Amino acid sequence: DGGITQSPKYLFRKEGQNVTLSCEQNLNHDAMYWYRQDPGQGLRLIYYSQIVNDFQKGDIAEGYSVSREKKESFPLTVTSAQKNPTAFYLCASSPTGQRNTEAFFGQGTRLTVV
Amino acid sequence: DQQVKQNSPSLSVQEGRISILNCDYTNSMFDYFLWYKKYPAEGPTFLISISSIKDKNEDGRFTVFLNKSAKHLSLHIVPSQPGDSAVYFCAATAGGTSYGKLTFGQGTILTVHP
Repeated sequence: DGGITQSPKYLFRKEGQNVTLSCEQNLNHDAMYWYRQDPGQGLRLIYYSQIVNDFQKGDIAEGYSVSREKKESFPLTVTSAQKNPTAFYLCASSPTGQRNTEAFFGQGTRLTVV
Repeated sequence: DQQVKQNSPSLSVQEGRISILNCDYTNSMFDYFLWYKKYPAEGPTFLISISSIKDKNEDGRFTVFLNKSAKHLSLHIVPSQPGDSAVYFCAATAGGTSYGKLTFGQGTILTVHP
């Protein structure tokens, strides 16, 4: 089945450590996105990529980094510079060049700093 | 600056009655609007959408209404069912080259009582 796979589902990180969240899709979508959800808030865009080897900052990119070496993969690294990393992270993808189409989401990774 | 707002954090309705979820936006460049449903610890799933050239879109029990002059949209669920209990997010996009770059509202928790 086509879809988006995020791993792991739960992740614990010690303060000062970098951690990488995985996102893989087999929908053949060009565009991929990372969002963050905090309690009582909507999803906020961290980074997005519309094509391989290219990505742009979203609204809250500070303390995060991404890479897009393959169409299927868009890993997110939460660095030690991110002051409040504990959150629910969601990866999404969508086709580009198509009007009026929705983004498809993965099941999310809950990151907790201990 | 919150460009998409859902001013009701929660809504409680009886099974069989209508649920109305509201959403307001400020960015006049938004031209495509979506509703997502989300369960705890899962990714959002797409529910229904509407283009700015329409004022109504219907899909089974779900209808979305768009009032461009008021910059307001609403989601009607009729009849409501207990399985509809979830968080509902309104989202908007300005289109262009990537329709997955969404701006989300804060979400409304819908509870449908048997």
